[in-house]
Amino acid sequence: AQSVTQLGSHVSVSEGALVLLRCNYSSSVPPYLFWYVQYPNQGLQLLLKYTTGATLVKGINGFEAEFKKSETSFHLTKPSAHMSDAAEYFCAVSDLTSYGKLTFGQGTILTVHP
Amino acid sequence: DAGVTQSPTHLIKTRGQQVTLRCSPISGHKSVSWYQQVLGQGPQFIFQYYEKEERGRGNFPDRFSARQFPNYSSELNVNALLLGDSALYLCASKLGGMNTEAFFGQGTRLTVV
Repeated sequence: AQSVTQLGSHVSVSEGALVLLRCNYSSSVPPYLFWYVQYPNQGLQLLLKYTTGATLVKGINGFEAEFKKSETSFHLTKPSAHMSDAAEYFCAVSDLTSYGKLTFGQGTILTVHP
Repeated sequence: DAGVTQSPTHLIKTRGQQVTLRCSPISGHKSVSWYQQVLGQGPQFIFQYYEKEERGRGNFPDRFSARQFPNYSSELNVNALLLGDSALYLCASKLGGMNTEAFFGQGTRLTVV
């Protein structure tokens, strides 16, 4: 069975500071990995995804993530936080055997201070 | 182009009642999935349909059922509602492939009182 663990339910940074949101996964087969963002009272928007190929993945709004198989991690980073980045972020895993079913982590709420 | 549309946006039901939630996928998308997001948690997979056939079912009781229509829209039905069914219900559509992006709707907020 697949699982996702997001370390830290709340992360607080200052505007302009580095954003680091941590995600570790468990999968018995090569995974597909995703980061989604959710603004209050809205659905989920895809930030970036890893399927195959380059392990450093760039997404929208300046976010990127690196797939590290040896560490079973897929941490999300952004060099400089903006006030508009304040939201809840979800890491998710899928694979070829699950027909695209997504297994989500518990989420990390990002707060950005002026 | 219209995204994934869900209706209604909000719903209040009484314990024991039945509810039907609706989802229209992005034009051309043949796969629809349903997720339940309880406040403070990540979305939990309920069902996936592709080409009108059930392709996956999560760990939910038989009170939950779904179907996909010839036009690829979908309905999620929940019978005998419990207080614990209160959640945001999200629908996602995909073109069909395993590694294609899932596009989510705004969700239906169900409150059971």
